[in-house]
Amino acid sequence: AQSVTQLGSHVSVSEGALVLLRCNYSSSVPPYLFWYVQYPNQGLQLLLKYTTGATLVKGINGFEAEFKKSETSFHLTKPSAHMSDAAEYFCAVSDKGFQKLVFGTGTRLLVSP
Amino acid sequence: DTGVSQNPRHKITKRGQNVTFRCDPISEHNRLYWYRQTLGQGPEFLTYFQNEAQLEKSRLLSDRFSAERPKGSFSTLEIQRTEQGDSAMYLCASSARDFSGNTIYFGEGSWLTVV
Repeated sequence: AQSVTQLGSHVSVSEGALVLLRCNYSSSVPPYLFWYVQYPNQGLQLLLKYTTGATLVKGINGFEAEFKKSETSFHLTKPSAHMSDAAEYFCAVSDKGFQKLVFGTGTRLLVSP
Repeated sequence: DTGVSQNPRHKITKRGQNVTFRCDPISEHNRLYWYRQTLGQGPEFLTYFQNEAQLEKSRLLSDRFSAERPKGSFSTLEIQRTEQGDSAMYLCASSARDFSGNTIYFGEGSWLTVV
């Protein structure tokens, strides 16, 4: 069975500071990995995904994530936080079959001026 | 807008009533998913269609829940005899294989409040 652990239910940063949201996964097969963002009362928007190939993945809004197989991690980073980045972020894992996504419990990013 | 469309966006119902949610996937997406999300949690998989065939159902999907996707187009999720524990956001998603595997796109969700 696949699972995702997101360390830290809340992360607070100042505007302009580095954003680091942690995600560790468990999978018995090579995983597909995803980061989604959710704004209040809205659905989920895909930020980026890793399937195969380059382990450093760039996404929208300046976010990127690195797949590290040895650490079973897929942490999300952004060099400089913006107020508009405040939202809930979900890491998810799936297999290469029909792609049922298994989500973590989410990390709420708070950005202060 | 050609994204995943869900309606109604919000539904308040009395316990014991039936409710139905509709999802219109992105055109030509042959895969459609339903997820449920409760406050403070990540979405949980409920069921999955490939075209009109329902290929997997989660154990979360009790016999009060039924989902259909006639003709492989839109889908409906019906909850019969609603209970307060059914209060959640119901998310629909769709996908089609692209060059790097499936990308799953989510709708805005349908909020259900059972009172």
